[in-house]
Amino acid sequence: AQSVTQLDSHVSVSEGTPVLLRCNYSSSYSPSLFWYVQHPNKGLQLLLKYTSAATLVKGINGFEAEFKKSETSFHLTKPSAHMSDAAEYFCVVTFPNFGNEKLTFGTGTRLTIIP
Amino acid sequence: GAVVSQHPSRVICKSGTSVKIECRSLDFQATTMFWYRQFPKQSLMLMATSNEGSKATYEQGVEKDKFLINHASLTLSTLTVTSAHPEDSSFYICSARDILPDRGPSYEQYFGPGTRLTVT
Repeated sequence: AQSVTQLDSHVSVSEGTPVLLRCNYSSSYSPSLFWYVQHPNKGLQLLLKYTSAATLVKGINGFEAEFKKSETSFHLTKPSAHMSDAAEYFCVVTFPNFGNEKLTFGTGTRLTIIP
Repeated sequence: GAVVSQHPSRVICKSGTSVKIECRSLDFQATTMFWYRQFPKQSLMLMATSNEGSKATYEQGVEKDKFLINHASLTLSTLTVTSAHPEDSSFYICSARDILPDRGPSYEQYFGPGTRLTVT
């Protein structure tokens, strides 16, 4: 079975300060991990993905995440928050299953940016 | 590339009527599409996996007869909410999986913008 835990339901940071959104996963197999962002009443946009290549993954809009197998973590970071980063962020896990792969979503973290 | 559209973006219907939601992959072929439901301020819950040319696979607890899924072509899947009730009001999101033939599946799913269904 696979699962993903987002440790914070809500994170607030000031504009220009670093962002850290935490994610831990559980998977019996080597996982693929994703971070998606969702702006209000919009669909999901892929920020970045890890699929067993480099453990430090760089995504769009200055975001990056590091896969740490020993800690079963895939935290999302950004050096300097921008007002446009305010949104809901989902950590997602999947693993190879002979064409039957499903995404398992975390419960989401709402990021608020303080001007 | 890899754009998924949904139509309509927003629909209001009366209780007891049926509503069809379309999901299209605009610039790639998707043998597999997924339908999710999202309640306010909650995460996405997978409802069913839609495979082109075959029956959809529903997740536990999802009523097959209420949520009819048809994946008639490689670019179109439809979700029909039959005999809708107020509790069916939700945000429905579809996705299509990207398959890279040279490197095997990447497992990435491209999401549509969602359809907000309100049943009165």
